[in-house]
Amino acid sequence: DAGITQSPRHKVTETGTPVTLRCHQTENHRYMYWYRQDPGHGLRLIHYSYGVKDTDKGEVSDGYSVSRSKTEDFLLTLESATSSQTSVYFCAISDVLEVNEQFFGPGTRLTVL
Amino acid sequence: AQKVTQAQTEISVVEKEDVTLDCVYETRDTTYYLFWYKQPPSGELVFLIRRNSFDEQNEISGRYSWNFQKSTSSFNFTITASQVVDSAVYFCALSEAEGTYKYIFGTGTRLKVLA
Repeated sequence: DAGITQSPRHKVTETGTPVTLRCHQTENHRYMYWYRQDPGHGLRLIHYSYGVKDTDKGEVSDGYSVSRSKTEDFLLTLESATSSQTSVYFCAISDVLEVNEQFFGPGTRLTVL
Repeated sequence: AQKVTQAQTEISVVEKEDVTLDCVYETRDTTYYLFWYKQPPSGELVFLIRRNSFDEQNEISGRYSWNFQKSTSSFNFTITASQVVDSAVYFCALSEAEGTYKYIFGTGTRLKVLA
């Protein structure tokens, strides 16, 4: 199994508070991604990174920011959490040599009250 | 724009029945990748198969088989002799072959296999 961990695995927070989710990999893969999973929508891309300090927006990036200061860590921040951001968040990694296959972390379940 | 459609929201079958999960995709790219992932009740995403757009050969892996047809933009997944352990949500995904390798996921099909 690819070495991907996400922390925390579960979090309950209140509307308006900042939240940071962490994705950590031990595979030295270049690409990292944050998705959210919601019923009826499948997985949707929030942000992605194609290298240290190189990030870009996905299809549902509003309300989220990311940072990648090291190859192994990709942080997702909700500056001011809203109830619509209650979701399961997955991190994924991929490397060109893997012919585009993405490996997924275990997910973080976030509840915003 | 790229799009993946999994029209079957939920399917229920009795154990040992065969079941096919449909996936239809849209893309303007001539080179792309298609994937299937399984999400069991425990929640993790398990990679099942990758297929590139130049390889239209069907693939079989045990009880699983995949039918890729570019003419109909479909990449269907069949489970033969289904088992209770096959109960999960199955996602089809499409990816560009260059650049950032972003995935577009379908909305998933929940398969329930009844004993």
